[in-house]
Amino acid sequence: DAGITQSPRHKVTETGTPVTLRCHQTENHRYMYWYRQDPGHGLRLIHYSYGVKDTDKGEVSDGYSVSRSKTEDFLLTLESATSSQTSVYFCAISESWGGTTEAFFGQGTRLTVV
Amino acid sequence: QKEVEQNSGPLSVPEGAIASLNCTYSDRVSQSFFWYRQYSGKSPELIMSIYSNGDKEDGRFTAQLNKASQYVSLLIRDSQPSDSATYLCAVNSGGSNYKLTFGKGTLLTVNP
Repeated sequence: DAGITQSPRHKVTETGTPVTLRCHQTENHRYMYWYRQDPGHGLRLIHYSYGVKDTDKGEVSDGYSVSRSKTEDFLLTLESATSSQTSVYFCAISESWGGTTEAFFGQGTRLTVV
Repeated sequence: QKEVEQNSGPLSVPEGAIASLNCTYSDRVSQSFFWYRQYSGKSPELIMSIYSNGDKEDGRFTAQLNKASQYVSLLIRDSQPSDSATYLCAVNSGGSNYKLTFGKGTLLTVNP
């Protein structure tokens, strides 16, 4: 299994509070991603990183920010959690080899905003 | 918005049959195509990747790609109850080799 650890695995938080999810990798892969998965919507990209301090928005980035100060860590922050951000969050990593890229996922974080 | 479309299913097949899962994509410049398997409550697991037209076989799995038709499929031969899962099609998007767009997945049930 790819060395990807997400923390926490489960979290319940109140509306309006800030929340930070952590993704830690031991593979030294360049690319890291945050996805959310919701029934009826599938996996949707929130933010991604293509290097230390290099990040960009995905298709559902509103209300989220990210930071990557080290190769191994990618943090996702919900500045002020809302009920619509209740979801399962997956971190993924990938590396580009000869023009091909395969992404591997962490175990996921189930976040409930009440 | 580049799209990846899959039949949501559920697709139900008897044990030992061939399961056929289909996926179409809208971005003509896509070059990399992946199939992931996701068991209920678990994370997606990469099972196949394909980059050129034609078939790619790995054990009981065969991925098929037709770039002209913008179509990719996954065949599972000798289906087993343990193959029951949601199968996600993913395509690289936006001209980027490292950013993936996922379909919503097809739920496969293999009946003993």
